[in-house]
Amino acid sequence: DAGVIQSPRHEVTEMGQEVTLRCKPISGHDYLFWYRQTMMRGLELLIYFNNNVPIDDSGMPEDRFSAKMPNASFSTLKIQPSEPRDSAVYFCASSFSSGGVDTQYFGPGTRLTVL
Amino acid sequence: GQSLEQPSEVTAVEGAIVQINCTYQTSGFYGLSWYQQHDGGAPTFLSYNALDGLEETGRFSSFLSRSDSYGYLLLQELQMKDSASYFCAVNSNYQLIWGAGTKLIIKP
Repeated sequence: DAGVIQSPRHEVTEMGQEVTLRCKPISGHDYLFWYRQTMMRGLELLIYFNNNVPIDDSGMPEDRFSAKMPNASFSTLKIQPSEPRDSAVYFCASSFSSGGVDTQYFGPGTRLTVL
Repeated sequence: GQSLEQPSEVTAVEGAIVQINCTYQTSGFYGLSWYQQHDGGAPTFLSYNALDGLEETGRFSSFLSRSDSYGYLLLQELQMKDSASYFCAVNSNYQLIWGAGTKLIIKP
């Protein structure tokens, strides 16, 4: 399998612009997680889906952030409008139901820089 | 609140054994996982303990004591490529709560 695929790998944008991050989970996985990682705050869970349904979005920082999973093979994380404090590495991860939330497979991440 | 504590940094010598501890306080507990992350890379799953005891996977072992709310990751025969950050994470009510990570520095 190709593993979790994320795009773009790097994104540089200006404050106020809309940013869309994309994720393709491993085929057959039914959990999908979005994380943000910074030096200051470490690894933070933003939202996760089970069978395409959002289960817990309590980590989404504010209304500027939204996530969708229209089907089992695709998810997006959107930031609108973006701010410099959103600069971070954003990871998508997926897992099997048998592994649940414990055994997650991470994508390579998207490094976002908001100027 | 929910919290995990692990040392911020550990230093060891190539070929030696090192133990990274993790203590947790969470509202629920279903298991303890360990992940490795190299600089610039993504976290990679290493091991999982749901029950008390030791789980061994090659040079890596992970231990859990539920009564002590404590676990550790043991790395044997350290190699330079083991230089990375190691995260413990607790499954608390079907959400992973992550520690801040331990940076392992290996000296030749």
